[in-house]
Order: sequence, then structure tokens, then C-alpha cells
Amino acid sequence: ETGVTQSPTHLIKTRGQQVTLRCSSQSGHNTVSWYQQALGQGPQFIFQYYREEENGRGNFPPRFSGLQFPNYSSELNVNALELDDSALYLCASSFGLVGGYNEQFFGPGTRLTVL
Amino acid sequence: AQKITQTQPGMFVQEKEAVTLDCTYDTSDPSYGLFWYKQPSSGEMIFLIYQGSYDQQNATEGRYSLNFQKARKSANLVISASQLGDSAMYFCAMITGANSKLTFGKGITLSVRP
Repeated sequence: ETGVTQSPTHLIKTRGQQVTLRCSSQSGHNTVSWYQQALGQGPQFIFQYYREEENGRGNFPPRFSGLQFPNYSSELNVNALELDDSALYLCASSFGLVGGYNEQFFGPGTRLTVL
Repeated sequence: AQKITQTQPGMFVQEKEAVTLDCTYDTSDPSYGLFWYKQPSSGEMIFLIYQGSYDQQNATEGRYSLNFQKARKSANLVISASQLGDSAMYFCAMITGANSKLTFGKGITLSVRP
């Protein structure tokens, strides 16, 4: 069984640029959630996708957007990068809606640095 | 709104001893779930234990147990027989029936001394 993978591992961008982060869900999982974890803080929920549709969004501006593909892999896109976007970005996959309290399996994260 | 509070400063424990990591939560939803995750320096969140709000017994998973006190809205993690590999950040998190997101606390750093 393949676990959750994320790419790239590390990324450095400059203010104003755009970035795409990728997540491959665990085999058989149809739900993916994205979280932003600033240094020294707990993860903050960005949004969730269930069967290719957005299913819940946290307090993040529209320049944070996402996609989920038919194979349940996912992308997180961030436009017009700001310095405060520097963080560890985690994706988590699960089977079914998380509201059913299904365990979420996290990937290793992508460390984004915005200069 | 849901809230998780973890206020302990960095925790230290001697190898093979037990340690308790505190977590309090706040929600108006009667149906919720509580999780503990471990995050080593590599960054990956590792699931440790889960407790449902309607569960009658405290959850246990190997060396991990959850001291669930519903009236006090606390969900403390107890690690028995600490090992050097337990050194990491530990996060308490909650999910409620009203939404589909995990709400995390700020985390606690645990250091296990040989």
C-alpha cells in the first residue's frame, strides 16, 4: 500500500510569484485535505476535496486554490505569493468524508520559502 | 467555533518513565472526535490515537492512552515507558460534526532524556 506523497520537498519562491504543490493520495482514498503550518504553530486547514469537488474551506483568501483529479491526486495553487505564505504545506488523504471521523493520513509536507 | 488549547511549555521526561501531555478543547457540538498526532523533525504528521465524544471508555493504542474527561473538556495524552524516539512535537486536534476540518492546537515539544 503506497502512502501519501508530496512534491516537491522544498521550494523557494519570491514575492508575487505563483506556486503549485502536488499530493498523491494513499491508494483507495477519495478525500484530500490541505493544511498550512507556519513555524512553531499547529496546522491550519486550507480546504478539502472529495471526489473532485471542494468540500469545505478554511479562512484563506481566494489566491489559494486547489484541484483534485480523477485518480484522486491533488494540487494546491497559490498566486501572488506573500512572505507570510512561507510554511510547511501538508496534505492528508482519507476514505470518505472526514466528517465521518475517518483517519487522515498525512504526507511528509512541502516546505515553501517566500523571499 | 472549535478551539484546542495546548499550553504546556517544552516537556522533558526520562527514558522509560511515563509522561502526560495536556489538551483542552472547546466546542458546542455534542458530536466530535479528538486526535493526537506526533510530528518528528521530518515534518510528517503521525496518527497516534483517537477518542470519540460518545465513547464510553478511554482510548488506548499500545503505549499511548487518552485520558478523556468530558465534563472538563480535556483529552490528555499519556505515553508510558517513554523511548528516545518519542522526542517530537505532539499535536492535539479535534473534528466536529459541523464541518470537515481538523482543528489543531499549537503543539507541545517532548524531549526524552537517556
